[in-house]
Amino acid sequence: GDSVTQMEGPVTLSEEAFLTINCTYTATGYPSLFWYVQYPGEGLQLLLKATKADDKGSNKGFEATYRKETTSFHLEKGSVQVSDSAVYFCALVSSNDYKLSFGAGTTVTVRA
Amino acid sequence: GAVVSQHPSWVICKSGTSVKIECRSLDFQATTMFWYRQFPKQSLMLMATSNEGSKATYEQGVEKDKFLINHASLTLSTLTVTSAHPEDSSFYICSARGLAGGYREQYFGPGTRLTVT
Repeated sequence: GDSVTQMEGPVTLSEEAFLTINCTYTATGYPSLFWYVQYPGEGLQLLLKATKADDKGSNKGFEATYRKETTSFHLEKGSVQVSDSAVYFCALVSSNDYKLSFGAGTTVTVRA
Repeated sequence: GAVVSQHPSWVICKSGTSVKIECRSLDFQATTMFWYRQFPKQSLMLMATSNEGSKATYEQGVEKDKFLINHASLTLSTLTVTSAHPEDSSFYICSARGLAGGYREQYFGPGTRLTVT
């Protein structure tokens, strides 16, 4: 079945540091890929998405590129802020289903 | 656009009582709604999928009689936790999928924190 493997956390960074969270997937066909962010005590917010190979999703300084050859969708941000502290989830929807498959989530803490 | 609300945002109930959680799509019609459960520091676990006007499809291991789901309209789905027990305490999150954003995108509600004492 479809699955997402996400880099284990927690990750602790200083402000303005570079952030990368690795995400790889296993899926049949051509899945759509997503990054969601969850702030403490809240639901999930869509951060960015990519629907086909080589697409780059970007939002709020975050980027991720859909790499079919490596089945990856790594999340990156060049300069993090304290407000980026949250849990980040990588997810996919397969081409023959509509259910989201989530990674385990990565907790990111940014210190001032 | 594509806003999903949940009510209540948190609820405390006594063991043995039932609790209803509402999930509403505010600015789009949700043909499908999903209910998730999230334990502390863990990922989301899909409980069930509901399509408007039909019975919900439950994931393996989820008790249908305990978690009653109704999707009576294109903007409202409800989850009722019947005869709640402390082990049902959790964070429940709904999401909705409709014509907006394409069929693969889900929009999430803010979640409901349930505590059973």
